[in-house]
Amino acid sequence: EAGVTQFPSHSVIEKGQTVTLRCDPISGHDNLYWYRRVMGKEIKFLLHFVKESKQDESGMPNNRFLAERTGGTYSTLKVQPAELEDSGVYFCASSQGARNPYNEQFFGPGTRLTVL
Amino acid sequence: AQSVTQLDSHVSVSEGTPVLLRCNYSSSYSPSLFWYVQHPNKGLQLLLKYTSAATLVKGINGFEAEFKKSETSFHLTKPSAHMSDAAEYFCVVSDPNSGGYQKVTFGTGTKLQVIP
Repeated sequence: EAGVTQFPSHSVIEKGQTVTLRCDPISGHDNLYWYRRVMGKEIKFLLHFVKESKQDESGMPNNRFLAERTGGTYSTLKVQPAELEDSGVYFCASSQGARNPYNEQFFGPGTRLTVL
Repeated sequence: AQSVTQLDSHVSVSEGTPVLLRCNYSSSYSPSLFWYVQHPNKGLQLLLKYTSAATLVKGINGFEAEFKKSETSFHLTKPSAHMSDAAEYFCVVSDPNSGGYQKVTFGTGTKLQVIP
C-alpha cells in the first residue's frame, strides 16, 4: 500500500510568488492534516480536513494560505503571495476516519519550501 | 491546553550504550502519547503510542517508553543504541478537540547522534 506522498519535495521561489503544494493521503483515509516546521522550531498544526470539509483550520497563519481538498482525495496548500517567513518544511499526514485520539497519523516526507 | 516539552535538543551516545530521550507533557485530559522518528529526507514514522492501557509501551526497533502520570513524563528508551538509530525524535500528545477529533501537539524534537 502506498504511503502519504507529497509534491514537490523541494520548492525555491522568490518573495511575492505563488506556490502550490500537493498531498496525496493513503487511500481511504478520511482525515488529512497539514503541518509546518519553520527552521529551528517545533512542528505546528495548520489544518485538518475530514473528507472534503475543513474540520479545524485554527493553525493557518493568515489569509495568504489556502487549502483545498476537492472530492475528499488529495489536498493542495497554496501560498499566495509567499513571504520570507513562510520558508520551512510542510508536512501532510492522514489517518483513518472516526473521532479517535489514539489514531496513528501517517506522515508524508514533507515539502521543503524556501522563499528568497 | 496541551503542551509537550522535550528536554534535550541533542543527545549523543556511543553505539551499544543505552538511549534516553526525555519528554514531559501537559494535558487537561487523559492524553494519548506518541513517539515519532524522522530519518533524513523521510517522513515521520510512528515508533510507539500510549493509549491508556499498559503504562510500559514497546515499540519498533527495540524502543520503549513508560507513561508516568505522577511525573507527567513519557521518556523514550532503548537498551543499546545502533548506528541506524541516528535521527530526530518527536514526542507528541493528542487530545480530542472540541469536535471530538484528534488534536496533536508536537515537541520541538531531539536529534540523536550515535557515535561508532
